Amino acid sequence: AQKITQTQPGMFVQEKEAVTLDCTYDTSDQSYGLFWYKQPSSGEMIFLIYQGSYDEQNATEGRYSLNFQKARKSANLVISASQLGDSAMYFCAMREAPVLNTGTASKLTFGTGTRLQVML
Amino acid sequence: GAVVSQHPSRVICKSGTSVKIECRSLDFQATTMFWYRQFPKQSLMLMATSNEGSKATYEQGVEKDKFLINHASLTLSTLTVTSAHPEDSSFYICSASHLAGPPYEQYFGPGTRLTVT
Repeated sequence: AQKITQTQPGMFVQEKEAVTLDCTYDTSDQSYGLFWYKQPSSGEMIFLIYQGSYDEQNATEGRYSLNFQKARKSANLVISASQLGDSAMYFCAMREAPVLNTGTASKLTFGTGTRLQVML
Repeated sequence: GAVVSQHPSRVICKSGTSVKIECRSLDFQATTMFWYRQFPKQSLMLMATSNEGSKATYEQGVEKDKFLINHASLTLSTLTVTSAHPEDSSFYICSASHLAGPPYEQYFGPGTRLTVT
């Protein structure tokens, strides 16, 4: 069974500073995908960044980067130059390997989330 | 591209009644749709996975007779909460996926907040 652990229920960061949100995972699959989503108070899930288990380079998307350490099974999200609009819940998620020839996309398992508060 | 809508965005219903939530993929054909439930200050919990034209696969602990899922077309899935009770009050989010899409293949709807009085 897959498991995602986010040990930080809440984090504070000063505006314009960088912040790291922790995520560790556990899986027996060799092929998997790791995601980070942002959920503002409106409730929508906003995709931020994706890392495949076979990707050698750490994923980056603008101010977001994923610090992927496969041997340690960690996939921390780094947000640089924090902005007030970054205040939200952040969820780490893992996609299991797809089941071949079934036409079924694989499901996501989510961590418990980290609430980030950006301060002036 | 890859927009998913949900309707309604908010619904209040009386205990014992049923409520239907729609999830639509607006600009792509969704081979698979997922339904999640999120209680306040908690994570998203997968309720069921549905493929177009076949029965949904429910996660352990989710009552299939209470949460009816229909995926009648490649662009529409519905979740019907039957005989709703206050403990069913939650935020319900759907996501849609198509196998031809990129690795980040689940596109989420904006969610439906259900309140059962």
